[in-house]
Amino acid sequence: NAGVTQTPKFQVLKTGQSMTLQCAQDMNHEYMSWYRQDPGMGLRLIHYSVGAGITDQGEVPNGYNVSRSTTEDFPLRLLSAAPSQTSVYFCASSYRDRVNSGYTFGSGTRLTVV
Amino acid sequence: DAKTTQPPSMDCAEGRAANLPCNHSTISGNEYVYWYRQIHSQGPQYIIHGLKNNETNEMASLIITEDRKSSTLILPHATLRDTAVYYCIRQSNAGNMLTFGGGTRLMVKP
Repeated sequence: NAGVTQTPKFQVLKTGQSMTLQCAQDMNHEYMSWYRQDPGMGLRLIHYSVGAGITDQGEVPNGYNVSRSTTEDFPLRLLSAAPSQTSVYFCASSYRDRVNSGYTFGSGTRLTVV
Repeated sequence: DAKTTQPPSMDCAEGRAANLPCNHSTISGNEYVYWYRQIHSQGPQYIIHGLKNNETNEMASLIITEDRKSSTLILPHATLRDTAVYYCIRQSNAGNMLTFGGGTRLMVKP
């Protein structure tokens, strides 16, 4: 049971490049989400999914796309990277009954856009 | 709008109990109180949650006031490894995101 696995751990992109941040969980969690954390700040929700085939926007969705083709995977795509997207990205998952299970977070992807 | 208020920082002596307060005076009846912590730059870690009753697990205890307007997270015997930022969060099943405020930076000192 690996929990929530995020890859890569570190990434440097040039402005305008695209990339995909990977997130996988092996706990059969229905709910998955992506957060970003800027220096000295709390986490903010980018996108979330309540199950395979269903996604929705969070608080700060602009510049990011997601899809959920399987229960296990929830990739985050940066379409055209900008310096403002320099941040630490966390993936989190939970059972549908979120209030009784809490969220499990991955260890993060540290992204720098130059 | 984090909807919870926590002191920005606290110190605690190693081996002593750490009591971290949280104010959530506008909490709704269907919202639980959750506590997470974030050690250095790692992903947040779930600690404990509760609705009305006090709760205890292997990591901590959660004391919720009868009017539910505030709560206290208790780490009974703090260690240096408990140094982290602790977040108090309100969450219901209808909500789809965790709203993180500034949290409390707990420094456990030898």
